[in-house]
Amino acid sequence: GAGVSQSPSNKVTEKGKDVELRCDPISGHTALYWYRQSLGQGLEFLIYFQGNSAPDKSGLPSDRFSAERTGGSVSTLTIQRTQQEDSAVYLCASSFKNTGELFFGEGSRLTVL
Amino acid sequence: AQSVSQHNHHVILSEAASLELGCNYSYGGTVNLFWYVQYPGQHLQLLLKYFSGDPLVKGIKGFEAEFIKSKFSFNLRKPSVQWSDTAEYFCAVKGSNYQLIWGAGTKLIIKP
Repeated sequence: GAGVSQSPSNKVTEKGKDVELRCDPISGHTALYWYRQSLGQGLEFLIYFQGNSAPDKSGLPSDRFSAERTGGSVSTLTIQRTQQEDSAVYLCASSFKNTGELFFGEGSRLTVL
Repeated sequence: AQSVSQHNHHVILSEAASLELGCNYSYGGTVNLFWYVQYPGQHLQLLLKYFSGDPLVKGIKGFEAEFIKSKFSFNLRKPSVQWSDTAEYFCAVKGSNYQLIWGAGTKLIIKP
């Protein structure tokens, strides 16, 4: 498609379960970002991928969070043993090179019960 | 530490009022500056950007922003707002690396 695609759009899970969130960036965009947006908060940086370089994982809040990007395209954010404080909207954005002009997906809203 | 400050978290205006949303940043080097907007139920999208050149930049839907280097500011303006401008507005700054530093956002509500 023409834009950044994220799935699922909504996910409700029980505390302790693992979840996977998927991001399909715009074709040709080498940079991919994951952010978290909690209610009433700004954007919290999670992880950054650029081409084949090692990702910057400095924003991941705990070792329960991990992400990978296969073939320089699709990315998956995995949250293991979910906690209630993980409830948020997880945003994926892609960019051509590093201009800072990001194209965002619709987000995946995660609710942990 | 690098930071972006948006002065108002909530702004309520009537239609046709003028708008100015403040954004100040803390960064010592060359910057790229952005305003992003998130309309209700929609994804974040770019409103306008400044990379270099004329410090007064124009974006979509009649918005403009002025980069004042001496004040480390990039305020967003619109002379006459519409109900459809109701949204959350984010200021962001990019320095020499890939990271964007984001403001906390300003929720704008336009009363019809």
